[in-house]
Amino acid sequence: SQQGEEDPQALSIQEGENATMNCSYKTSINNLQWYRQNSGRGLVHLILIRSNEREKHSGRLRVTLDTSKKSSSLLITASRAADTASYFCATVSSGNTPLVFGKGTRLSVIA
Amino acid sequence: EADIYQTPRYLVIGTGKKITLECSQTMGHDKMYWYQQDPGMELHLIHYSYGVNSTEKGDLSSESTVSRIRTEHFPLTLESARPSHTSQYLCASSGIGRDRVYNEQFFGPGTRLTVL
Repeated sequence: SQQGEEDPQALSIQEGENATMNCSYKTSINNLQWYRQNSGRGLVHLILIRSNEREKHSGRLRVTLDTSKKSSSLLITASRAADTASYFCATVSSGNTPLVFGKGTRLSVIA
Repeated sequence: EADIYQTPRYLVIGTGKKITLECSQTMGHDKMYWYQQDPGMELHLIHYSYGVNSTEKGDLSSESTVSRIRTEHFPLTLESARPSHTSQYLCASSGIGRDRVYNEQFFGPGTRLTVL
């Protein structure tokens, strides 16, 4: 069963603009992760934020987590054409449970 | 670059054939996973393993089977392939973190299977 729901399903922006993707989930979590998938390839881990953290940065990526609203956002600043990909959020519940992935947001960055 | 490998990368076979998709990782991770993903769609967990001789079914019902005889190897087998099995199959692994919760997963490049 899917835990995370990304929003929007698809996003198209111009190079240099910022891209924001949102993820909502249903049950309590230990951590939330964001992954990127280029067309036809495997997923690549981008960033992990724990339930006791509110914000995390990695290069041009900024992730926020609001456990009271059960939501997270991924911001990509100064986007590039190479950022074109699908982005998935995934949650880990407490204990020994597998990651549960959302349906993904397809980002297109137009040069 | 993740040290997780899948072979073959592409496979086209006829209905009724038995196939095995290979997945190996050199990171010593105890947990491994198989996902099925149609192009541009969500990932569905079909099998996972906690360690050697341990396998579990995932959320998506699958006619495939898996085995885990060695830590580094997690092959997936379809006894009789059908056109409905046409999809991309992704293998992943993860290791336990300091807080005893599994952290990031490392993915292989995937096998794109077409059953005619």
